[in-house]
Amino acid sequence: DMQMTQSPSSLSASVGDRVTITCRTSLSVTKYLNWYQQKPGKAPKLLIYEASNLQSGVPSRFSGSGSGTDFTLTISSLRPEDFATYYCQQSYSSPVAFGPGTKVDIK
Amino acid sequence: QVQLQQGGAGLLKPSETLSLTCGVYGVSFSGNYWSWIRQPPGGGLEWIGEINQSGRTTYNPSLQSRVTISIDTTRNQFSLKLSSVTAADAAVYYCARGGYGQPFYFDYWGQGSLVTVSS
Repeated sequence: DMQMTQSPSSLSASVGDRVTITCRTSLSVTKYLNWYQQKPGKAPKLLIYEASNLQSGVPSRFSGSGSGTDFTLTISSLRPEDFATYYCQQSYSSPVAFGPGTKVDIK
Repeated sequence: QVQLQQGGAGLLKPSETLSLTCGVYGVSFSGNYWSWIRQPPGGGLEWIGEINQSGRTTYNPSLQSRVTISIDTTRNQFSLKLSSVTAADAAVYYCARGGYGQPFYFDYWGQGSLVTVSS
């Protein structure tokens, strides 16, 4: 099975900070890497699909990059509503898999 | 407006069968895959499996022996059955559009169903 890692597992940041989260897969997933935001008690929300495409309605401060095995989610200027857990997910091979998550909290 | 509306039992005893449904509103079943995903308390996300309009299924090998996903296009819903549940199956279960097939991401999600397993 595909192994997925995210770093860091958690981070503390301030409003206005630039935040970068990394996702690595054990085998190439080409472009089939997606990013989600999840807040407590809520379903995950799709932010970025196929590595770099911004989902409709998602603010432009979110961006994604990468291909193959190394991917990055960047929040250019952190807002209060961005404090949440972020997951990467691959759909290149079965079984579909999620990364372990990165929790972003307030410094 | 697209909505996925989940239903089903939340409290089970060990060895019972979990049964959940997901009603799909505002989007066609055609051309899409429909998945079930679960999340244990305080844990990460695990994909359970998926189905398309034709009834083609793909399951996570970790659960394959106990999982059945079915679809009823006349009622615009798909369903999950997980047999022989144990405490390890306690989780919030989500339905979602997408997976290992079009679309290759999960863009619409149900509200989640909390499943508890206790004797």
